[in-house]
Amino acid sequence: EVQLLESGGGLVQPGGSLRLSCAASVFTFSTFAMTWVRQAPGKGLEWVSTITGSGGTIFYADSVKGRFSISRDNSKNTLYLQMNNLRVEDTAVYFCAKDWSTDGGSQGYFDYWGQGTLVTVSS
Amino acid sequence: DIVMTQSPDSLAVSLGERATINCKSSQSVLYSSNNLNYLAWYQQKPGQPPRLLISWASTRVSGVPDRFSGSGSGTDFTLTISSLQAEDVSVYYCQQYYAIPYTFGQGTKLEIK
Repeated sequence: EVQLLESGGGLVQPGGSLRLSCAASVFTFSTFAMTWVRQAPGKGLEWVSTITGSGGTIFYADSVKGRFSISRDNSKNTLYLQMNNLRVEDTAVYFCAKDWSTDGGSQGYFDYWGQGTLVTVSS
Repeated sequence: DIVMTQSPDSLAVSLGERATINCKSSQSVLYSSNNLNYLAWYQQKPGQPPRLLISWASTRVSGVPDRFSGSGSGTDFTLTISSLQAEDVSVYYCQQYYAIPYTFGQGTKLEIK
């Protein structure tokens, strides 16, 4: 069974930084695009960022563009999200999700999700 | 951006009865070159991540019970649970993957009447 395990969440002050990680196992990591989706407390799902299997193509939501950076290390089967200049409205559970497509590109829907890691931005 | 609007926001259905959730996109998510609708449905239970139920508007994912079905095309879509079971109590989301940014509906909370 595919496993995705996020880590790195926590409490940070506005303007601070955090780096989230997502360790993947039981699938050929480099073959699949990966995505971060977040969910503010009691709210719906918001797509944040996607990176293709090779890491060569990256997409961001406008709400995080210029502040967040997605990356991956295929030798370590790990996805990252570097979050800088955090705002109160970035408070959410951050999920990593595996893209369905098998060609390394982003099809855009997600067949496996991690349990999520909570990021709280507060003074 | 493509805006996804679900209705209703919440729904209470008796066990064994049919539940219907609607999803409308602000523009068509039907790709004319392959005649596929770029629309997925997810189920999310409290404290859990979303679970993919249906892709391409009507293709049920392996392992999903056949009481779940998806229909619709273009801008109007429906998720139907033919006979509600207790374990179906969840929030359901539609999502378009026709264009970036990928966008989700606001969610529909399904409860037992």
